[in-house]
Amino acid sequence: SYVLTQPPSVSVAPGKTARITCGGNNIGSKSVHWYQQKPGQAPVLVVYDDSDRPSGIPERFSGSNSGNTATLTISRVEAGDEADYYCQVWDSSSDYVVFGGGTKLTVL
Amino acid sequence: QVTLRESGPALVKPTQTLTLTCTFSGFSLSTSGMCVSWIRQPPGKALEWLALIDWDDDKYYSTSLKTRLTISKDTSKNQVVLTMTNMDPVDTATYYCARASDSGLFDYWGQGTLVTVSS
Repeated sequence: SYVLTQPPSVSVAPGKTARITCGGNNIGSKSVHWYQQKPGQAPVLVVYDDSDRPSGIPERFSGSNSGNTATLTISRVEAGDEADYYCQVWDSSSDYVVFGGGTKLTVL
Repeated sequence: QVTLRESGPALVKPTQTLTLTCTFSGFSLSTSGMCVSWIRQPPGKALEWLALIDWDDDKYYSTSLKTRLTISKDTSKNQVVLTMTNMDPVDTATYYCARASDSGLFDYWGQGTLVTVSS
């Protein structure tokens, strides 16, 4: 089955840029979606189809996807961005949804 | 306004069957491209996809849990039901339902319901 690999944790100082990676075999050929989950809350979609943002999501959140790595980039990081972030794809070859293991973003 | 709400027992015993209901509003599961999915999250762990049902009544299941899961819909009631058989303590988790597109993205989520499996 398809596997998505994320770093367990990423730390960044306020105002800096955070990059969270999601690795998968030829992931560049798939549409990648990203979710933010704060403690005790349901996940929220922050980036879809590699790089699009739902309405209400700040422009500071962006995404890219190429080769074997997709990346969620958060610019000008704020304390409120501290959360777990999950990447996700639909593996059309097996009709299967896959989530990454999640990355805990810590704002120093 | 799209909303989803999960309901079901908070506590089940090992070997029992869990039945969860997702009641939604703001969209119709008879509309082409619409789907509803179930995802769970054990305490302190990652999200795990369970099952998805689409507008055409096609059903998709997690490979590892396929033999234990059944997903169904009642379009007239705006509900999707998930049953999971032979519950085990490792199935203790918060269970979420979410609206999904036919491209597999989850744009609206319920608040989740915590299910504990214990004797």
